[in-house]
Amino acid sequence: KQEVTQIPAALSVPEGENLVLNCSFTDSAIYNLQWFRQDPGKGLTSLLLIQSSQREQTSGRLNASLDKSSGRSTLYIAASQPGDSATYLCAVSGGNNRKLIWGLGTSLAVNP
Amino acid sequence: DVKVTQSSRYLVKRTGEKVFLECVQDMDHENMFWYRQDPGLGLRLIYFSYDVKMKEKGDIPEGYSVSREKKERFSLILESASTNQTSMYLCASSLPTGYTQYFGPGTRLTVL
Repeated sequence: KQEVTQIPAALSVPEGENLVLNCSFTDSAIYNLQWFRQDPGKGLTSLLLIQSSQREQTSGRLNASLDKSSGRSTLYIAASQPGDSATYLCAVSGGNNRKLIWGLGTSLAVNP
Repeated sequence: DVKVTQSSRYLVKRTGEKVFLECVQDMDHENMFWYRQDPGLGLRLIYFSYDVKMKEKGDIPEGYSVSREKKERFSLILESASTNQTSMYLCASSLPTGYTQYFGPGTRLTVL
């Protein structure tokens, strides 16, 4: 059974730091991996989607990598800003299964 | 831009009431999903639908039912609300498997 783990559960950094959020999954037979952002009390916003055949995706200051063989993905945030403060969630999709398997998220606080 | 709307942001109901949560998407997406989100448990899939009148149980369908009479609308029904159904409910939609999910703003349901 696929399990998704995100470490750390919470992170507090000063503004301007480059940071890495980690996501690991137990079954490497995934269809794709997605990173989402959730602001307090709100819905989720898709950040990046990496297909199983891809190694990374980039959007602005965000870069997500995927290493299927080791069951890991990282989300790199460059030059963090207070507006980046949110919970970041990782989810994987496997094969023909339409379901996403979710991690519990990393709560990020970027301090001015 | 894809827009997913949910009928209420906040809802308070009494134990035993029948509760309807409505979700509408405007991008002609085939797939629609209902999740609940609880602290420490993350997002859990209740039901999803991959076509009009088609539905599949997710991980926690007990106590819930769904209806999809039109492609753009997916309703979640709590047949007899109970206090353990107090939660944040999130609706999402997507193109077929492999595409990202777009989320609504969520409904915070409290059952007294």
